Amino acid sequence: GENVEQHPSTLSVQEGDSAVIKCTYSDSASNYFPWYKQELGKGPQLIIDIRSNVGEKKDQRIAVTLNKTAKHFSLHITETQPEDSAVYFCAATRGSQGNLIFGKGTKLSVKP
Amino acid sequence: NAGVTQTPKFRVLKTGQSMTLLCAQDMNHEYMYWYRQDPGMGLRLIHYSVGEGTTAKGEVPDGYNVSRLKKQNFLLGLESAAPSQTSVYFCASSYFRPGQGGNIQYFGAGTRLSVL
Repeated sequence: GENVEQHPSTLSVQEGDSAVIKCTYSDSASNYFPWYKQELGKGPQLIIDIRSNVGEKKDQRIAVTLNKTAKHFSLHITETQPEDSAVYFCAATRGSQGNLIFGKGTKLSVKP
Repeated sequence: NAGVTQTPKFRVLKTGQSMTLLCAQDMNHEYMYWYRQDPGMGLRLIHYSVGEGTTAKGEVPDGYNVSRLKKQNFLLGLESAAPSQTSVYFCASSYFRPGQGGNIQYFGAGTRLSVL
């Protein structure tokens, strides 16, 4: 089955710097890769996703890149702000039911 | 604008007690999921449902049962709670899009369960 590895587990940056979180997946048939943000005491919320027919997707300060050959995808956050502090999860799936396999999460801290 | 609602928000059980967690969604989604979240483990799928009256096992189904009698509700039951089931439980729902792998999942706020 699918296995998703996520690194780093914790990341601390200064406000205004960029942050990069990387994930690798094992199932070459996976075709959908979402990223979720979880704030303290809340449920995860989708922030950006990418499908296997696209190499890069951008939404304002966040972007996701996908390398199908190497089976890895990354989340890039530019001009970080304190409100970006949260736990970020990557996930992968290939099933029509949308059963997601999640990475173990990255706790991002943005220091003002 | 409720989205996915989970009840209760907190619960403390003694070992061997039973309880049911309720998840309700008002988005008319076909798919619903139950996850557990443990420190350093990410989110792991317990059970899921692809439609009313259907359920299926996920990655960590042992010790849990589910039912989906109505499209909008998905119940998670613990028949005999164990300390290993101390966790935060999240429900999610998603819509079905034929021909496309992967759907956006919308999560509830979670239920924090402690089993003593």
